[in-house]
Amino acid sequence: RKEVEQDPGPFNVPEGATVAFNCTYSNSASQSFFWYRQDCRKEPKLLMSVYSSGNEDGRFTAQLNRASQYISLLIRDSKLSDSATYLCVVNFYSGNTPLVFGKGTRLSVIA
Amino acid sequence: SQTIHQWPATLVQPVGSPLSLECTVEGTSNPNLYWYRQAAGRGLQLLFYSIGIDQISSEVPQNLSASRPQDRQFILSSKKLLLSDSGFYLCAWDTGRGEDTQYFGPGTRLTVL
Repeated sequence: RKEVEQDPGPFNVPEGATVAFNCTYSNSASQSFFWYRQDCRKEPKLLMSVYSSGNEDGRFTAQLNRASQYISLLIRDSKLSDSATYLCVVNFYSGNTPLVFGKGTRLSVIA
Repeated sequence: SQTIHQWPATLVQPVGSPLSLECTVEGTSNPNLYWYRQAAGRGLQLLFYSIGIDQISSEVPQNLSASRPQDRQFILSSKKLLLSDSGFYLCAWDTGRGEDTQYFGPGTRLTVL
């Protein structure tokens, strides 16, 4: 069974805080991983891919732990504009197979 | 660069009426195409995906259908809408070359009354 589990939140944090989200997935053979961001009433947009060695893009750091089958997203120095729902996404197989989306974690950054 | 279009942006339809939502992609060829639905406060539900013209896979049996009459055109249809069909319908594409990243259209917000 293909499952991606996330804490739905909401996470309410003050500006400048560091916040971390975790996501677990059900298949140890999963091939690729992503974090998407979805603003209210908008389409999801790719935030970053998640690589085995971990990767960083400015204030955002994504890490993959294959042994424990979880992915994390760390946001440092939170901004008001970071308020959104963050979707964890997994490709369980290689080739032309659909991605599986988690239900998302809602983040509210408060002034 | 590639772009994806969806229309209409919003739609209000009575129960029992038909539905046709259209999605087109520009700037790429042989994409994989996807239809998702997101009910209010819920996650993304994959409805259909297509790896080529007239090749449609259905993920969830229901009163919806999909067609791909051209390489970059994906249509979602229903003969008779139900109240439970209300939601945010998103079309997405990827390159079909194993690169995985999906790109979403702006979506259609459907309300069935």
